[in-house]
Amino acid sequence: QLVLTQSPSASASLGASVKLTCTLSSGHSSYAIAWHQQVSEKGPRYLMILNSDGSHNRGDGIPDRFSGSSSGAERYLTISSLQSEDEADYYCQTWGTGIQVFGGGTKLTVL
Amino acid sequence: EVQLVESEGGQVKPGGSLRLSCATSGFTFSNYIMSWVRQAPGKGLEWVSSISSSSGYIYYADSVKGRFTISRDNAKKSLYLQLNSLRAEDTAVYYCARVAPEQFFDYWGQGTLVTVSS
Repeated sequence: QLVLTQSPSASASLGASVKLTCTLSSGHSSYAIAWHQQVSEKGPRYLMILNSDGSHNRGDGIPDRFSGSSSGAERYLTISSLQSEDEADYYCQTWGTGIQVFGGGTKLTVL
Repeated sequence: EVQLVESEGGQVKPGGSLRLSCATSGFTFSNYIMSWVRQAPGKGLEWVSSISSSSGYIYYADSVKGRFTISRDNAKKSLYLQLNSLRAEDTAVYYCARVAPEQFFDYWGQGTLVTVSS
C-alpha cells in the first residue's frame, strides 16, 4: 500500500535552516513526490516536484531557499534562511494508477 | 495566470446533496487532468476524485465512491463535483486542483467549505 509518513511538527529559528522529511512506504522508494505549502486558512501552494535521484523542479515563483533532496525512501524539503512567512503546514504527495496520496503534513513553527 | 475558482459551498443536512463547480482560466483546460481534494477541519489533505482531460478516466477515493460524481465541461473550462448522500464526515473545505502531466498537483483553488449538519 502506497503511504507517505511525515512528522507532525517541526520548529526552527528565524534565519536558520530546517529539513522536513517524507518517507515512502516499503516497495515504493523509487517514487517521485511533490511538496506543497499551506499557510493558515489558505489553499495549498505547490512548491516542487522531487525525484528519487534528488533532482527537483520548483513551481512558479518559489524562491531557491526551498530545495529538495532524496535518500532511499526518504524525501526531504530544506528551507534555508527561514522567514516568518514560512510558518505553515507542509504536505508531501505522491501518486499511483488512479490514486493520489498525501502525507499527514508537518506543521512548521518559526521561532 | 492560472486561476481556479470554486463556487460557494454551503450547509447541507445529512443525506442531502450539493453541487460544487470550479471555474478555470489562464491555461488550456481541455489538456489537463483535474481533481478534487478536501480537508476536514483541523485535518490534513485528502484526495477525493480525478477526471482525465476527455472524461474517459475517472477515479474516486473509497470514502466517496458511489456517492460523489466528478464531471467536466471543456467548452466552459469548468470542473464539477456532485455530492450526494452527504454525511457529517464529508464536512470539509473542498479544493479544485490541476494535475500536471507528471501527475502531481501544480495549481490549487482557494477552496470552498461544505458543512453537513442537521
